Amino acid sequence: QSALTQPPSASGSPGQSVTISCTGTSSDVGGYNYVSWYQQHPGKAPKLMIYEVSKRPSGVPDRFSGSKSGNTASLTVSGLQAEDESDYYCCSYAGNNNYVFGTGTKVTVL
Amino acid sequence: QVTLRESGPALVKPTQTLTLTCTFSGFSLSTSGMCVSWVRQPPGKALEWLALIDWDDDKYYSTSLKTRLTISKDSSKNQVVLTMTNMDPVDTATYYCARTYGSGLKDYWGQGTLVTVSS
Repeated sequence: QSALTQPPSASGSPGQSVTISCTGTSSDVGGYNYVSWYQQHPGKAPKLMIYEVSKRPSGVPDRFSGSKSGNTASLTVSGLQAEDESDYYCCSYAGNNNYVFGTGTKVTVL
Repeated sequence: QVTLRESGPALVKPTQTLTLTCTFSGFSLSTSGMCVSWVRQPPGKALEWLALIDWDDDKYYSTSLKTRLTISKDSSKNQVVLTMTNMDPVDTATYYCARTYGSGLKDYWGQGTLVTVSS
């Protein structure tokens, strides 16, 4: 099972929006609405930000949103804030009771 | 309050078997729909899903690692154990356990435990 493809980096100024893509195949991202997104600050455990493509857990700011088109899922962070600077990983169900993570994207707030 | 904590050796030698324990509280692994996953992250690299066990004691493994992994649970002790055989230096990583639901979402994570494989 190959890792989902994410851009290594993305950036934006405070207040701007940044969108991170997560590209898979019809066997994972494209085949199921089971994509989740995680934020990970250095030295910390990942934190769930989005699940089932576009649902936001309680406590996650509505600046974070998710979507999917075909084999590509996306995470958008609107109104960037300094604390959004972090690594972000997507994860998808891949069938046969397997899951696959993305390669990770480092978001920098300029 | 949901918490998870990983425990195990910080250092293992090549070819040895690694045994990690995830001790959790705030939920029951006997509840329908509840699962616990193991995920690892080599230093400076991406997350990798390893294994999952569900409330019904069904077990699922990463296709690439399934021959080396065994996951089990002791619901009475609120523990999930992962064993990985034939450890290699490339298995050096921080190992996390996480509460998981059927869609794969992992909403609570342990702090992780760093395992180094070296002779």
